[in-house]
Amino acid sequence: AQSVSQHNHHVILSEAASLELGCNYSYGGTVNLFWYVQYPGQHLQLLLKYFSGDPLVKGIKGFEAEFIKSKFSFNLRKPSVQWSDTAEYFCAVIPGGSARQLTFGSGTQLTVLP
Amino acid sequence: DTGVSQNPRHKITKRGQNVTFRCDPISEHNRLYWYRQTLGQGPEFLTYFQNEAQLEKSRLLSDRFSAERPKGSFSTLEIQRTEQGDSAMYLCASSPTLVSGAQGYNEQFFGPGTRLTVL
Repeated sequence: AQSVSQHNHHVILSEAASLELGCNYSYGGTVNLFWYVQYPGQHLQLLLKYFSGDPLVKGIKGFEAEFIKSKFSFNLRKPSVQWSDTAEYFCAVIPGGSARQLTFGSGTQLTVLP
Repeated sequence: DTGVSQNPRHKITKRGQNVTFRCDPISEHNRLYWYRQTLGQGPEFLTYFQNEAQLEKSRLLSDRFSAERPKGSFSTLEIQRTEQGDSAMYLCASSPTLVSGAQGYNEQFFGPGTRLTVL
């Protein structure tokens, strides 16, 4: 069965620090890749997505992610975090083809200190 | 607000009772999904509908769980004879049916969830 691994459970950064959150998936075929964010008390929101084409995708709020097929990775990055980026971040995968459900990683809690 | 809505937002019940949750998707979305999220984990897929047809169910969905989408609009998720292990956040999401490559393809929009506590 496919799986998604997020190796960082909890990341603590100071404002203006750079961020990289790791995501690896196990599915070998074509994949659709997503990063979702959940701010405290709010529902899951889509940050960015990759379907095909340019492996470097840009999302909302200055986030970007790079799809590296050879490493089965889709890491999330932001050059300079803000206190308002404190949230839980989830990587998710839908394999290409007929599958429609998202398979999520276990999430990374990001705390940004002011 | 034109997002996905879920009711109730919180439900506390005693073990053995039945509970029912409702999800209203974004109006033009014909795909609807249910997920379950426990503390410290990402959401796990339970089931999904295309219009009124339930097309896939996870092995997580035991016989005590049933979901319906009778008219292809709102959906209900019922849990019979609740157990303490059913305590979780139950999330609903919806998406439009788009062809591969179209903007928004496979993009799911989530509701706020229903938090179930089984005592």
